[in-house]
Amino acid sequence: EPEVTQTPSHQVTQMGQEVILRCVPISNHLYFYWYRQILGQKVEFLVSFYNNEISEKSEIFDDQFSVERPDGSNFTLKIRSTKLEDSAMYFCASRGAGVEAKNIQYFGAGTRLSVL
Amino acid sequence: QKEVEQDPGPLSVPEGAIVSLNCTYSNSAFQYFMWYRQYSRKGPELLMYTYSSGNKEDGRFTAQVDKSSKYISLFIRDSQPSDSATYLCAMSVNRDDKIIFGKGTRLHILP
Repeated sequence: EPEVTQTPSHQVTQMGQEVILRCVPISNHLYFYWYRQILGQKVEFLVSFYNNEISEKSEIFDDQFSVERPDGSNFTLKIRSTKLEDSAMYFCASRGAGVEAKNIQYFGAGTRLSVL
Repeated sequence: QKEVEQDPGPLSVPEGAIVSLNCTYSNSAFQYFMWYRQYSRKGPELLMYTYSSGNKEDGRFTAQVDKSSKYISLFIRDSQPSDSATYLCAMSVNRDDKIIFGKGTRLHILP
């Protein structure tokens, strides 16, 4: 069964460093999302991406964050200068197009980001 | 008032029991309602999907949506220890919209 793949599974970084979280969405999907989940809290929307541009972003997604689809398969989230409060699980999700796709988003297993 | 409210539990029930999980929400514009299951340190996995009001059944799982009361439910029949996980209710306004999640209910099925 097709799945969303995220790498690395765990990323440890020093405060102020840049990190890039990588995702390979399901191959025929056209809508891409990043969510995060701080330990013990709910899953929160960060950004949605379609047709090579951001569709919507949350208040969390400030100038320190950026997303990119550098080729036909990868979707990345970059945090330019990490802060302690960026420590969380980051989930990538993707969705197909067309009426049948509804709003069924498929999630990856996540990248645990630990900022020290 | 929070957009989506869900009792975090934990909820412990004996194996074989019927489990009832629910969420309330405040935004009447929500049209798409989902239940995701999340195992520890894993990503959310879609269990059930419902558009607008009504019931949907899939094996041991039944999802109900009551838009007039802004209340959604998930029922698990003949619960198994493997059903032990966190169950997240989720909803969105439009088809390609962001998903708003509840905080999740931790469920333990006792053998």
